[in-house]
Parts: sequence; C-alpha cells; structure tokens
Amino acid sequence: AQKITQTQPGMFVQEKEAVTLDCTYDTSDPSYGLFWYKQPSSGEMIFLIYQGSYDQQNATEGRYSLNFQKARKSANLVISASQLGDSAMYFCAMRGAEGGTASKLTFGTGTRLQVTL
Amino acid sequence: EAGVVQSPRYKIIEKKQPVAFWCNPISGHNTLYWYLQNLGQGPELLIRYENEEAVDDSQLPKDRFSAERLKGVDSTLKIQPAELGDSAVYLCASSPGRRAWTGELFFGEGSRLTVL
Repeated sequence: AQKITQTQPGMFVQEKEAVTLDCTYDTSDPSYGLFWYKQPSSGEMIFLIYQGSYDQQNATEGRYSLNFQKARKSANLVISASQLGDSAMYFCAMRGAEGGTASKLTFGTGTRLQVTL
Repeated sequence: EAGVVQSPRYKIIEKKQPVAFWCNPISGHNTLYWYLQNLGQGPELLIRYENEEAVDDSQLPKDRFSAERLKGVDSTLKIQPAELGDSAVYLCASSPGRRAWTGELFFGEGSRLTVL
C-alpha cells in the first residue's frame, strides 16, 4: 500500500519569500514517482513537478524545486520568490512502479498556502 | 489542445435523486480516471479505464455508483440514489498511458455536487 502524509494543513508566506511544503511517503515499491499538484479555487488540479525515485538530482521547474530525501522518504516542495497567485491548495502524490499502483496517483490531504503582501 | 472537459460544473439535488457527470478526456488519452474529492481532502480514485475497459473499480461503491466509457473516449459517472454524504467534487483525469510516461495526470475542473 502507498501512503502520502502532509502534516501542514495551512501555511503563510510573505510575497517574494521562499516556502517549503512538507511531504512524506510510504511505499513498498522498489521504484516510484512523486508529484506535486496545485489546486486553485477554480478546482482544477495543475501539475507542478515530478521526481522519479531513481533520479540522481532533485527536480526543478522554474520557481518550483523538489527536495527529495529518499532515506527519509520525504519529497518537500520548495517555492521560491512566492507570488500572490501561488495561493492555493498543494497536494503531494505518488505512483508505484508495477501493476495497478503504476497507473494511478495516491494523494495526500493537502496544504493550503496563503501568500501575503 | 483542449484539456479535460467536465460537466456540469455544479449540481444541487435532493437526496435520493439521481445525478450524472460527464467527462471528455484529452484527445488520444487512453486512460481515464474518476476521482472523488471530499472537502479538505485529497482526491481518491473511484475508477480507472483503459480504453473502454474498467481495470480498477475497487473503490467504486457499486450499490449506488456506476460508470461507463462505451466507445473508449468520453465517460459518464452516475449516482443513483444520491445520499447526503455524496456531496463532494468529482474529478475526471486522463493520461496518455505511454511506456515513457512519468505518470502525470491531466485533470478537469471537476463537478461539485451538493446533496440536500
């Protein structure tokens, strides 16, 4: 079974500052993928960044980076230079490598980020 | 390229009434998902289709929920009869299902159901 844990229900950050959203995971699959999605108030889930479990380097996409610590089973999202438009729910998710778990995402409960002036 | 389209965006019904949600995935995406998102929670998979075949419906409450994807393109999710606890957002997603695919899903805006 796969499990994603996000322990921060809500976070505040000032505009232009960096913020880290925590995510820990548990899986018995030897390889897996980790994702972060953003969900604004409109409801659509927007893909942000992906990290494969065997990737040697931490993933980066513009202002988003994923701090992947495999031994700790953590995959924290770092948003640099926060903008007001970053205010949204953020979900960490994972997929497995084999069978049914390879074809679906398991999500955490999310973190609500509020960017302030 | 058009994204995943869902309708209706909002639906309010009384309990015991039926309701249906429609989803049109991204063109060429063979895999289609229906997820349930309760308030303050992450999405949970209800059913996954590979083309027209439901390959994972283990989380679908089959006593009242049904889904179909007859031609392997668009899909309908039905609830009959609806209960108060069914109030949630129903998200549809699709993916290309290619071997090199990282696993990213493409989501629609969801259908928000309120059962009174």
